[in-house]
Parts: sequence; C-alpha cells; structure tokens
Amino acid sequence: AQSVTQLDSQVPVFEEAPVELRCNYSSSVSVYLFWYVQYPNQGLQLLLKYLSGSTLVKGINGFEAEFNKSQTSFHLRKPSVHISDTAEYFCAVRFTGTASKLTFGTGTRLQVTL
Amino acid sequence: GAVVSQHPSRVICKSGTSVKIECRSLDFQATTMFWYRQFPKQSLMLMATSNEGSKATYEQGVEKDKFLINHASLTLSTLTVTSAHPEDSSFYICSAQDRSEQYFGPGTRLTVT
Repeated sequence: AQSVTQLDSQVPVFEEAPVELRCNYSSSVSVYLFWYVQYPNQGLQLLLKYLSGSTLVKGINGFEAEFNKSQTSFHLRKPSVHISDTAEYFCAVRFTGTASKLTFGTGTRLQVTL
Repeated sequence: GAVVSQHPSRVICKSGTSVKIECRSLDFQATTMFWYRQFPKQSLMLMATSNEGSKATYEQGVEKDKFLINHASLTLSTLTVTSAHPEDSSFYICSAQDRSEQYFGPGTRLTVT
C-alpha cells in the first residue's frame, strides 16, 4: 500500500537549535516528494521538493531535506530555527501512476520557544 | 511564483443552505485543480480532482451530489456545498496545478450553524 508517515505529531525546540522533522513513505513505484508549511488559518506554502537529481534538496527559509531511497525517507532539517518557524509542516508524496494527486502525511507541529 | 486565490475566506451559513467557494489561479492557467478538506489539527484530505471542461473525479467516500464541483474555465473552479449541515464545517483548501507543482489557495473556513 502507498502511504506517508510523519511519526512526530509535535516537535518542541528552542530557538537557534537544530531540528529534524521525519517523513517516511511506503511505495512500490517511484515517487516525487514535497514538504509544505502551513501557518494558522492559511493555505500551504511549498518549502522544497524532490523530483530527481541530487538527493539533497535545499528550500526556502533555510530548510533542506534529503531523499533516502533505501530508507524510504525524506526528512526535513534546519540547522538553526527561529520563532517564526513555528507552524505545521506537512510531508507529501506523489506516487507515479496516480496522475498529479498528492498524499499528505498527518503533519508535524513545530513549536519554537525562547 | 504562481498565485491561487479563494473566495470567501470565511463563511457562516445556516443548516440546509448551500455555499459556493471559488478557487482562481491568478497568473497561470490550470487545467487541473484539486479540492481538499482539513479538519482541525489534521491533515489535508483530497476530496476531488477538478478538470477543466469535464466532470470532476471524486475520491472514495466523497458525495458528489453534496459537493458539486465546476471547472468552467482554465482559471476558475468552484465547490458548492449543497444543503450544508454542521458536520460539513471545515477548512476547505484548493490547489491549482502548474506543470509539475501544485499551488495552494489560502483556504476557506466554513461554519454551518
């Protein structure tokens, strides 16, 4: 079965500390991978995406993610977070053969405090 | 970057009435748009795929007679929640596809009283 898993529902972290938000997927076909951020009562903003090529992808706001095919993971990282990074983060996967549909993980709430 | 708008941003309606939500791609043409529903503190659930000039494709469990989708032009898709009930209260988000990427609207908060 094709699925996306974000094991951490909440991640508390102090400002300027590093953070990693985990995303794993299950698939028998090739995938395209995305990370989105959602601020309260707003839509989703694309942070970064992996379609092909280099497995280390850099996105906006200092975030990066690495595609690991053997571990079927696409973890999101930032070396030093800011208060303004507090938001909900969603991992999404497009499975080839499913047109353009995205399957979203359940989301991880990143809470940055002083 | 590509911009997608939704209107209204918030709507409160009485049970039994119908509500229409608009989704527009402002600076690109989108042959495909998507409608999602998001419950509080939960993920986005795809409701349907809207294709310009043809019928929408609904996900399993979504009532097509209740959630009417019209994609009349390359820049506009509408979602009409017919005979709304309190359990339809939710955050509805649309997205529009431009090449390989989906661009999301800001969402519409629907409250049915």
